Amino acid sequence: NAGVTQTPKFQVLKTGQSMTLQCAQDMNHNSMYWYRQDPGMGLRLIYYSASEGTTDKGEVPNGYNVSRLNKREFSLRLESAAPSQTSVYFCASSEDRVTPSYEQYFGPGTRLTVT
Amino acid sequence: AQKVTQAQTEISVVEKEDVTLDCVYETRDTTYYLFWYKQPPSGELVFLIRRNSFDEQNEISGRYSWNFQKSTSSFNFTITASQVVDSAVYFCALSEALDSNYQLIWGAGTKLIIKP
Repeated sequence: NAGVTQTPKFQVLKTGQSMTLQCAQDMNHNSMYWYRQDPGMGLRLIYYSASEGTTDKGEVPNGYNVSRLNKREFSLRLESAAPSQTSVYFCASSEDRVTPSYEQYFGPGTRLTVT
Repeated sequence: AQKVTQAQTEISVVEKEDVTLDCVYETRDTTYYLFWYKQPPSGELVFLIRRNSFDEQNEISGRYSWNFQKSTSSFNFTITASQVVDSAVYFCALSEALDSNYQLIWGAGTKLIIKP
């Protein structure tokens, strides 16, 4: 059972380049999330998708776009990468977002460096 | 503002010692959930436990135990007889209402180092 998968695991970009981080889950979850993790700051929500066909901004959405391609897949795009976007990116999923008790399941993360 | 505070940035103990990780939260909601996650050196985030705001019973799972005290807004995590494999970053998180959905508010994490 794969759970949540992310690609790529590592990426180096030059300032101004674009890229898309891919995420897929096989647990039939309704809700999916993108976080970034920076040292000493815990996890910060970039965007989320409460259900297929919907997306909403989280705490730090600037510089990012997302697409909920179908129930399984949720991608994160950096249109013009900046050094401030150097971070570890995690995708997560949960059964839904309207029930507070559901835990989130995380992918292995993508380590992105922007030079 | 709702938030989660993990005041201990890093803790280092010798194997077999007991260690407690603190988590203090702020919320105006009466219904909320608290979570602990573990992030080992390999980097993945692993769910450990969930506790709802109406259940103040302590929970024990093997060497792990959790103490939820609503009066002090704390949800502390204790590892008894620590082992090197417990070395990780531990995150506390609060789930509370945002419009018609719930969001997770994360603490900054506590890095736990268990020395052999």
